[in-house]
Amino acid sequence: KAGVTQTPRYLIKTRGQQVTLSCSPISGHRSVSWYQQTPGQGLQFLFEYFSETQRNKGNFPGRFSGRQFSNSRSEMNVSTLELGDSALYLCASSDGLAGGRADTQYFGPGTRLTVL
Amino acid sequence: GQNIDQPTEMTATEGAIVQINCTYQTSGFNGLFWYQQHAGEAPTFLSYNVLDGLEEKGRFSSFLSRSKGYSYLLLKELQMKDSASYLCAALGGGYQKVTFGIGTKLQVIP
Repeated sequence: KAGVTQTPRYLIKTRGQQVTLSCSPISGHRSVSWYQQTPGQGLQFLFEYFSETQRNKGNFPGRFSGRQFSNSRSEMNVSTLELGDSALYLCASSDGLAGGRADTQYFGPGTRLTVL
Repeated sequence: GQNIDQPTEMTATEGAIVQINCTYQTSGFNGLFWYQQHAGEAPTFLSYNVLDGLEEKGRFSSFLSRSKGYSYLLLKELQMKDSASYLCAALGGGYQKVTFGIGTKLQVIP
């Protein structure tokens, strides 16, 4: 099976702009989770989508939003970018339904966002 | 709520054994994952424990004690390529949410 793919891999934006990141999960996986990773904070959970519905949400401001399409592909949007949004954004897919080991998350390569 | 604690950095010698500890407080706990992340790369799955005890997989073993909210990852016969961050993650909470620790950066020295 093909792995999780994310586009774009690298992105440079300026403050105030908005950005959309895309994630295609492993075929058959219905859950997609998004994480922000920075050196000091580790992996911070943004949100999880399952069957086009947001099922879990982390503690990020409303500038961070997402959605999932019927083919399980997901997008994440960040509006009004701030310098502190510079980070590696990782998406992970999992079965999302069976629980336990089946909730093993498989990560994409990430999108490195730099806000100037 | 969810809380994961693990040391931020460790150093060990090539060929030695190292144990990376993780403590967690997770409501509705349903399992503990360990991931390996090399610098600049995505995390990759190492192990999953849901029952108490030790699970061995080659040079890597993972242990869980549910009553103590404690897990460890044991790496034997360390190799230079084992230099990476090791992330502990607990599964639990509403809709089986996965919460990651900050990661332990392991440096293997000759």
